[in-house]
Amino acid sequence: KNQVEQSPQSLIILEGKNCTLQCNYTVSPFSNLRWYKQDTGRGPVSLTIMTFSENTKSNGRYTATLDADTKQSSLHITASQLSDSASYICVVSDNYGQNFVFGPGTRLSVLP
Amino acid sequence: DSGVTQTPKHLITATGQRVTLRCSPRSGDLSVYWYQQSLDQGLQFLIQYYNGEERAKGNILERFSAQQFPDLHSELNLSSLELGDSALYFCASSVGATTGELFFGEGSRLTVL
Repeated sequence: KNQVEQSPQSLIILEGKNCTLQCNYTVSPFSNLRWYKQDTGRGPVSLTIMTFSENTKSNGRYTATLDADTKQSSLHITASQLSDSASYICVVSDNYGQNFVFGPGTRLSVLP
Repeated sequence: DSGVTQTPKHLITATGQRVTLRCSPRSGDLSVYWYQQSLDQGLQFLIQYYNGEERAKGNILERFSAQQFPDLHSELNLSSLELGDSALYFCASSVGATTGELFFGEGSRLTVL
């Protein structure tokens, strides 16, 4: 069964600190992996999208990594800001993007 | 602004009633997806339409139905509403059937009393 797991479920950090969120998936065949940021009550916004051949992709203070062999991805946030407080969702596509499998998300709280 | 428009933003109704949620995709996008997000839960895929045709179906209840019109806007119809149907309903669009970035609307918050 295609599944996406994320850890930790929730995380609290102080402003200015770095953090790393994890995503493990069993989706096969793999097409691409996306990270989304969802502010409370708002629609998700794309941060990065990576295909099989990409190991790292950055978007400002967000850096995503992908290990297609171990089926793991991470999202590293550098120098966190209060506005980074949100849920971060890992989404994996199979069958050349036919189906999007959503992870449960990691809820990040950045405190002053 | 993602370019995906959803209406209404908020909706309060009673059990047993029927509601219609509307989504206008980004200009040029042919695919429309519907998702349900209950309180503190992840996004659950309901259904996808591509260029007017149903393309993929997820965990959509038989009480729910959707369609995509020739102008590519989509409607999600929820009938015989139950308390458990209270949730945020998101629409997303992408340019292709299997490719392209997913752009989400701001959601329609449904409260069933």
